[in-house]
Order: sequence, then structure tokens, then C-alpha cells
Amino acid sequence: QSALTQPASVSGSPGQSITISCTGTRSDVGGYNYVSWYQQHPGKAPKVMIYDVTKRPSGVSNRFSGSKSGNTASLTISGLQAEDEADYYCCSYAGSGTSVFGTGTKVTVL
Amino acid sequence: EVQLVESGGVVVQPGGSLRLSCATSGFTFDDYAMRWVRQAPGKGLEWVSLITWDGGSTYYADSVKGRFTISRDNSKNSLYLQMNSLRPEDTALYYCARSYYYMDVWGKGTPVTVSS
Repeated sequence: QSALTQPASVSGSPGQSITISCTGTRSDVGGYNYVSWYQQHPGKAPKVMIYDVTKRPSGVSNRFSGSKSGNTASLTISGLQAEDEADYYCCSYAGSGTSVFGTGTKVTVL
Repeated sequence: EVQLVESGGVVVQPGGSLRLSCATSGFTFDDYAMRWVRQAPGKGLEWVSLITWDGGSTYYADSVKGRFTISRDNSKNSLYLQMNSLRPEDTALYYCARSYYYMDVWGKGTPVTVSS
């Protein structure tokens, strides 16, 4: 149950696109199409932004999109806005009822 | 409105025990699996435990296996986490979350501090 690997920080200017990677193994990210992404603002509970690799919950902006290739999943934020500044965590099902989160990425809007 | 409200977090000494509760409303509780997730101060999210809709199956992170027990009472729309043999590294904000293979609704969390 080792944490998935994410970059510690990613930054971009308003309007730009950024991508956050989430690297695991074939026992988690690579083995299941059950990767989800969570946004967390300071002092707030996490909010799901993407689930099942590519699906977006109702109410989440279509500026957020997800993908996966092999053992690495990615979250792309297009048209970056000030309100997107937050911490982002990936999470993958890892079999036998277990889940594993990523190390987290701080997104800064310059 | 779907709501999850955690309670029971306090300051406890190492080796002590604690029971967290998560009261739910606004949805059919026994239609869903439920998870506990924790976040140590200034750190990332850590999955702790999962219970199926009927309580028939439970799963734990290696870090808490054998010390924590997840349970639910569908008649009370409530989720629980019994925490025994607590360690300083269990200090965290504990969230309950409604679950599929992902967590779609989260509570605000209840803080647990393990310190002498």
C-alpha cells in the first residue's frame, strides 16, 4: 500500500492548461479503471473532480478531464482559473477492497 | 440534502481507545458502501477503511489493521470507527465518505490527537 506518486507542485498562468500525473503500479492504477481525483482547498473537505479515470460528476466544470496510460493517470485542468488553486489528490482502487491515495499536488495559479 | 457529520474526536493518550461516529442523512444509507479517510496535520490523504453496504465485508489499511474496526448500523444511518491501541502517528482529521469505487460525498471531519 505505497502512496501513488504525484509532483509536489504544478503552476500555471490564468487561461493556461496544466497536467498533474499520478504514477502507481499494475497492482493499482494499471490494474483497474477506478482512478479518481480530489480537489481540496485549505481547511475544507476533499471534493471529487474525476472518477473512473475519465468521468466528471455533475456540477464539475468541463475544464477538468482525466486520462490513463499504463500505470500513470493524469488530471488536466484547462483554462486555469484563480479558484483552481488548491491541493489535488489522485486515488486508485488497489484490489481486495483497498484504496491508495497519491502524495498530493499543490496547484498554484500565477 | 446529503449530509455526513463526524463526531467523537478528542485528545487521547497513546495506547488509548476511541470510537468515531458518522451520522448520515439525505440518502438511503444502506444503498452505499462507506469509507474512513484520514489526514495528518499538514499531510496528504490516507485511506483507512471500507465497509460494504450490509456490513458483511470490511477492509483496512495495513497501518491500522488489527487495531481499528469499522462498523455500521443501517437502522440508525450511522457509520463507526473503533480505534484501539492508538499511536501518535494516528493523529489526524478523520473523514467519513460515501463510496462507490470513489468517494462522492465527504463529511467535514473530526480531529483525533494522540498525545501524552
